[in-house]
Amino acid sequence: GAVVSQHPSWVICKSGTSVKIECRSLDFQATTMFWYRQFPKQSLMLMATSNEGSKATYEQGVEKDKFLINHASLTLSTLTVTSAHPEDSSFYICSAGRSGTGSYEQYFGPGTRLTVT
Amino acid sequence: GNSVTQMEGPVTLSEEAFLTINCTYTATGYPSLFWYVQYPGEGLQLLLKATKADDKGSNKGFEATYRKETTSFHLEKGSVQVSDSAVYFCALRTGGYNKLIFGAGTRLAVHP
Repeated sequence: GAVVSQHPSWVICKSGTSVKIECRSLDFQATTMFWYRQFPKQSLMLMATSNEGSKATYEQGVEKDKFLINHASLTLSTLTVTSAHPEDSSFYICSAGRSGTGSYEQYFGPGTRLTVT
Repeated sequence: GNSVTQMEGPVTLSEEAFLTINCTYTATGYPSLFWYVQYPGEGLQLLLKATKADDKGSNKGFEATYRKETTSFHLEKGSVQVSDSAVYFCALRTGGYNKLIFGAGTRLAVHP
């Protein structure tokens, strides 16, 4: 159990276009989902936290108008990179939070590699 | 602020060698500590965790002990296998918040 999927797994787009990435929790409901960005050979940087039915909370330095996050249901969150530029090329990873008996865990998706040309 | 520092990689070992990946942290309060593993082309998977001082997390032969006095959570395995080749991330989560703060990751390569 606790499987998180992302779609697409990789995408190439032209500069100036927008790209949408989906994150789904397949076998559990996630009230909170997280979006991370991972640069080559570097750690994950939290971009934003999204709660179902409310606005996302962005980390300092992340442009909310550029990285639009929608968490419309308990199993789906989307990240839209608007007017993408080559510097937005990166590996984007989502995670979904799940509460258990006395514990809380994040389950990670496989990531989406975005290349902007 | 809260942060995690990991030893730089890559770490290259022969099969059956002993593994240690160092991790130290800075945090206010009493964080929970985690090790995640990322196999090539896959997402992060929780390897083990510890939620309070002196707790030992263990899984798949890996162990790490939460040392409050040294603010450390070093990952160890007595005998690595080729299949352990991956990137390992140390992370912390402070009480009351669900955000994870990751270290830079350490790439492990195990050769036959």
